[in-house]
Amino acid sequence: DGGITQSPKYLFRKEGQNVTLSCEQNLNHDAMYWYRQDPGQGLRLIYYSQIVNDFQKGDIAEGYSVSREKKESFPLTVTSAQKNPTAFYLCASSTQRNTEAFFGQGTRLTVV
Amino acid sequence: GIQVEQSPPDLILQEGANSTLRCNFSDSVNNLQWFHQNPWGQLINLFYIPSGTKQNGRLSATTVATERYSLLYISSSQTTDSGVYFCAGARGTGKLIFGQGTTLQVKP
Repeated sequence: DGGITQSPKYLFRKEGQNVTLSCEQNLNHDAMYWYRQDPGQGLRLIYYSQIVNDFQKGDIAEGYSVSREKKESFPLTVTSAQKNPTAFYLCASSTQRNTEAFFGQGTRLTVV
Repeated sequence: GIQVEQSPPDLILQEGANSTLRCNFSDSVNNLQWFHQNPWGQLINLFYIPSGTKQNGRLSATTVATERYSLLYISSSQTTDSGVYFCAGARGTGKLIFGQGTTLQVKP
């Protein structure tokens, strides 16, 4: 079944800890993206990758890091430097630039 | 960067009514999508519509690229249409810029 899988669905983090959110796609898409959504708001771009072993910062990259070692995987690490990490995180992919993007089901991160 | 403005921010309808949601862009885009966010947060693709008109059942969308806006029409609304509708656009890259969304509530 083709699609984008994000895990876990819910994640709780203690202050000062790093956590990694998983995003895997089996759509053979080249481009992958991470977005953050705060309550009542639209989505904001954190990082994106157009090709394996290459990625660029989006609008709110501070406190986050990514890697793109495989075409199908684009994990996001929320570091302790991210001052307000509690949010809903969505991963997306597309075949290339300016084509239709598809989203995973999201991960809700809560700092406790 | 591109600014995306959606209107109205909130909309309450009686079941069976029709509605129009609007999305304005501050600059031209060559990638435009409409999404419906369900109560669990997942974004459901409605339309990929950089220009022209498309229809899918009770939903249709029109993008006038030269005037930098897009419209989403919902006809004969149902309670299951409730949720948040987002438009998003990109110019030259795949980096979608999202509007703030329109929250739709359809009452039985």
